[in-house]
Amino acid sequence: QVQLQQWGAGLLKPSETLSLTCAVYGGSFSNYYWSWIRQPPGKGLEWIGEINDSGSTNYNPSLKSRVTISVDTSKNQLSLKVKFVTAADTAVYFCARGGAAFDIWGQGTMVTVSS
Amino acid sequence: QSVLTQPPSASGTPGQRVTISCSGSSSNIGSNTVNWYQQLPGTAPKLLIYSDNQRPSGVPDRFSASKSGTSASLAISGLQSEDEADYYCATWDDSLNGWVFGGGTKLTVL
Repeated sequence: QVQLQQWGAGLLKPSETLSLTCAVYGGSFSNYYWSWIRQPPGKGLEWIGEINDSGSTNYNPSLKSRVTISVDTSKNQLSLKVKFVTAADTAVYFCARGGAAFDIWGQGTMVTVSS
Repeated sequence: QSVLTQPPSASGTPGQRVTISCSGSSSNIGSNTVNWYQQLPGTAPKLLIYSDNQRPSGVPDRFSASKSGTSASLAISGLQSEDEADYYCATWDDSLNGWVFGGGTKLTVL
């Protein structure tokens, strides 16, 4: 049974870089797109971007200039970096297995940006 | 402002049937399949419906969905208290070249 386990720093200051990692356990990393999705407190879901095992990426145009998603296939891991964070980046961040739909989700990581 | 439009709230009593709408455009719902997610408080979203109207294994057949043109809808029949959650529609947008979500609908079981 495929599980996603994610981790990363939960408290950042404005202008710092957000860095999260998501590991895929119990299943193939290949032949899927893997996404990052975030949810500000009390608000809806926002897709950040995706990557496949070949490293091909798609990003949300509104975040593209600050976001990098990468993959380490040797470890079955994907990573998210968001540069120059502000309070508006405060959210729960999820990794998810994609393709036709987001069928498996990580547990979520709360990231707070505060001075 | 979300690309897909959902009503912010919906409600019903146990046993009732409720529907949640999701409105988009030709670049998203009009040309791609729609997925629906259920998010219980404090948890990650769960895939409820994929490819417009398909239920993953384990999802009760009380949940159904349909699509017509640039709109989609989720129906929940035989409403139960455990259905109280937030529901999101999502699809690929060809113009944005990315996934888009509806703003979410909070379902209250009265």
